[in-house]
Amino acid sequence: DIQMTQSPSSLSASVGDRVTITCRASQGISNYLAWYQQKPGKIPTLLIYSASTLQSGVPSRFSGSQSATNFTLTISSLQPEDVATYYCQKHNSAPWTFGQGTKVEIK
Amino acid sequence: QVQLVQSGAEVKKPGASVKFSCKASGYSTYYIHWVRQAPGQGLEWMGIIDPSGYNPEYAQNFQGRVTMTRDTSTSSVYMDLSNLRSEDTALYYCVTSLSAIRWSPFGYWGQGTLVTVSS
Repeated sequence: DIQMTQSPSSLSASVGDRVTITCRASQGISNYLAWYQQKPGKIPTLLIYSASTLQSGVPSRFSGSQSATNFTLTISSLQPEDVATYYCQKHNSAPWTFGQGTKVEIK
Repeated sequence: QVQLVQSGAEVKKPGASVKFSCKASGYSTYYIHWVRQAPGQGLEWMGIIDPSGYNPEYAQNFQGRVTMTRDTSTSSVYMDLSNLRSEDTALYYCVTSLSAIRWSPFGYWGQGTLVTVSS
């Protein structure tokens, strides 16, 4: 099975900072990569799919990019409401594997 | 508006089985996935069932212990998990695909069903 490796596992940044989370696939998955946000005590919500397509209603400060098997989620200006754990997920074939998650906190 | 309503919390003893239900409304018959999240842990994909209810596909970790079924007449999906152990204590979610394409990401999530496995 293809493994999804996320980094870092956690980060702390100031409001307004640019935040970057990376996800590496152990094999090629084309652009079938999604990002989810899970706020504390809440269910996950889809932010981005197909590596860079912003889900409807998601603020434009979130963006996704790809370079081969390396994927990046960027928050251009961190806001207090962005405190959450972020997960990447491959969605090209079974299993729909998630990364381990990145916990984002405000400094 | 898409809504997935899941069955209530369960407490089970080791070795027992549990049956989850997930009733959908407000959307077309897309694929349904099951995902679980142990306390303080990440998300784990368990399997998928297609709109017709045929050909479910399971994660290797659950092969032989999980069965997914679908009742299209009631827009309900079910998952049986057998031979429970303490490590199965988790919140279990049903989730729709975002579109009618099998390789869609996840769209809407149910509220989750908490299962506690304890002797």
